[in-house]
Amino acid sequence: TQLLEQSPQFLSIQEGENLTVYCNSSSVFSSLQWYRQEPGEGPVLLVTVVTGGEVKKLKRLTFQFGDARKDSSLHITAAQPGDTGLYLCAGDSKADRGSTLGRLYFGRGTQLTVWP
Amino acid sequence: DAGVIQSPRHEVTEMGQEVTLRCKPISGHDYLFWYRQTMMRGLELLIYFNNNVPIDDSGMPEDRFSAKMPNASFSTLKIQPSEPRDSAVYFCASSFIYKGNTGELFFGEGSRLTVL
Repeated sequence: TQLLEQSPQFLSIQEGENLTVYCNSSSVFSSLQWYRQEPGEGPVLLVTVVTGGEVKKLKRLTFQFGDARKDSSLHITAAQPGDTGLYLCAGDSKADRGSTLGRLYFGRGTQLTVWP
Repeated sequence: DAGVIQSPRHEVTEMGQEVTLRCKPISGHDYLFWYRQTMMRGLELLIYFNNNVPIDDSGMPEDRFSAKMPNASFSTLKIQPSEPRDSAVYFCASSFIYKGNTGELFFGEGSRLTVL
């Protein structure tokens, strides 16, 4: 069972289109990270969101953390072929005593392909 | 810093052979993770260490898998004997705690294992 569900699993669009991918859970996370992975490489961090309702922008990418810190979304405006990759969300949870477990729970990812 | 260094990048072996994957984390990071990535199952956490001590190995598939971290700058993941279903990309990542949350995971380039 995946703690974090990402949708859609696959997305194929034309250059210039907008898109949103989702990361949902029934669990609360103390923070959430988004990574992008390109073929033959390891995932690379895009952003970390910590506060419920937080919105962060990275050029054409907009990340939002849900108010209840159970979900997140990534919106890309005017997608470009260079945005092609696997987008992974990962949540950080805390132990009962409040300290982080030191590990992240990854979703299965959204494979995005942007055609020129 | 050179980042997380993994070796070998590619390994092709026959069923029943022993496979050893190696990882050098980023200096100063006190967490080290071993992940396995396949199309079917996505990115799975196998085991992680904190200050060279294994914290959670519940993701290790079975007794054929073992991992060690003899010092802060080196870790190995061993599969003995290997089976075709072990074919996957194995990633090592290192991290640290930042403001009470799990910090960015820095991934290596991965070791692509093919067991014939």
